[in-house]
Amino acid sequence: GEDVEQSLFLSVREGDSSVINCTYTDSSSTYLYWYKQEPGAGLQLLTYIFSNMDMKQDQRLTVLLNKKDKHLSLRIADTQTGDSAIYFCAEEGGSQGNLIFGKGTKLSVKP
Amino acid sequence: DADVTQTPRNRITKTGKRIMLECSQTKGHDRMYWYRQDPGLGLRLIYYSFDVKDINKGEISDGYSVSRQAQAKFSLSLESAIPNQTALYFCATSDLRGQGSDEQFFGPGTRLTVL
Repeated sequence: GEDVEQSLFLSVREGDSSVINCTYTDSSSTYLYWYKQEPGAGLQLLTYIFSNMDMKQDQRLTVLLNKKDKHLSLRIADTQTGDSAIYFCAEEGGSQGNLIFGKGTKLSVKP
Repeated sequence: DADVTQTPRNRITKTGKRIMLECSQTKGHDRMYWYRQDPGLGLRLIYYSFDVKDINKGEISDGYSVSRQAQAKFSLSLESAIPNQTALYFCATSDLRGQGSDEQFFGPGTRLTVL
């Protein structure tokens, strides 16, 4: 079945880089997504990558996609305390047409 | 004004009570979704609707029902609430057109506690 796996916690120091990893199962996903959930709020799309791309960079964010290994990562450069949140990886749910979310990685940024 | 709104934002109820959570959107999207979020379990899809006449069960639909009253409104009902339905509930919308990505827009969430 479809499944998206992520580690549950990541702790980094302010100014360091954060790397959040994700593995997925559905190789037919056209897009793969990273959502961010700040405390007490709903999810917001952070970035996404088209499946025929290996990398996408957007300011401090870099998404790397390894289709062979079905591995997706999100790198946040110069991590700030405002980056503290839960980050969800998501793949497209195939025939259902919905998104399959991972369990979320809680990023804690220490000053 | 928020594009996706949910009411109520917080609700405490007792086992066996019927509860309705409401979601409204002003984005004009066809697709609407209900998820629940539990600590350590991420988001799980309860029901989704691709238009007013198209409603589908998600991963965990047992104990829930939905109604798509209009394009802009999608409500979630718990016919007889039980304590393990205590969770944070999110409504989301999307509008997949052509070959664009299927970005989902989330409401602020409803925190439901069943005693």
